[in-house]
Amino acid sequence: GNSVTQMEGPVTLSEEAFLTINCTYTATGYPSLFWYVQYPGEGLQLLLKATKADDKGSNKGFEATYRKETTSFHLEKGSVQVSDSAVYFCALSDNTGGFKTIFGAGTRLFVKA
Amino acid sequence: GAVVSQHPSWVICKSGTSVKIECRSLDFQATTMFWYRQFPKQSLMLMATSNEGSKATYEQGVEKDKFLINHASLTLSTLTVTSAHPEDSSFYICSATTGRGGIGNSPLHFGNGTRLTVT
Repeated sequence: GNSVTQMEGPVTLSEEAFLTINCTYTATGYPSLFWYVQYPGEGLQLLLKATKADDKGSNKGFEATYRKETTSFHLEKGSVQVSDSAVYFCALSDNTGGFKTIFGAGTRLFVKA
Repeated sequence: GAVVSQHPSWVICKSGTSVKIECRSLDFQATTMFWYRQFPKQSLMLMATSNEGSKATYEQGVEKDKFLINHASLTLSTLTVTSAHPEDSSFYICSATTGRGGIGNSPLHFGNGTRLTVT
């Protein structure tokens, strides 16, 4: 079945550091890929998405490229801020019957001033 | 746009009682809603897919008689935890998709979750 594997956290960075959170997936078809973010005390919200191979999703300085050859969708940001501290979830949506979204385990990011 | 409202945000109940959680799409119609359970510091576990006008589809290992799902309209799905026990204490999250661009391509919009504590 489909699955998502993302790097374990927590990840602790200083402000303005470069961020990479690795995500790889296993899917039988051609899924859409997403990054969701959960800020402290809030619900999940979409950060960015990519629906086909080589697509790059971007939002708020974050980027991720859908790499079919390596089945990866790594999240990157060039310069993190304290306000980026949150839990980040990589997810894939099955485009076949059911359209279920499967989530990775989540990676907690702490950014220090 | 695409707001999902979940109610209540928290509830405490006694063991053996039932609790109903509501999930509403406020500004769009959702033929499909999803119910997740999130354990502390863990990921979201899909419990079931709620389809308007038909029976919910439960994931393997989820007791359908314990977690009753009713998708009464295009904007409302409810999850009822029946005969709750302390092990049912968890954070329950509903989500829905507008389906624009195809359901599989369309992101999920989440409610803020319900923290259930069973004493």
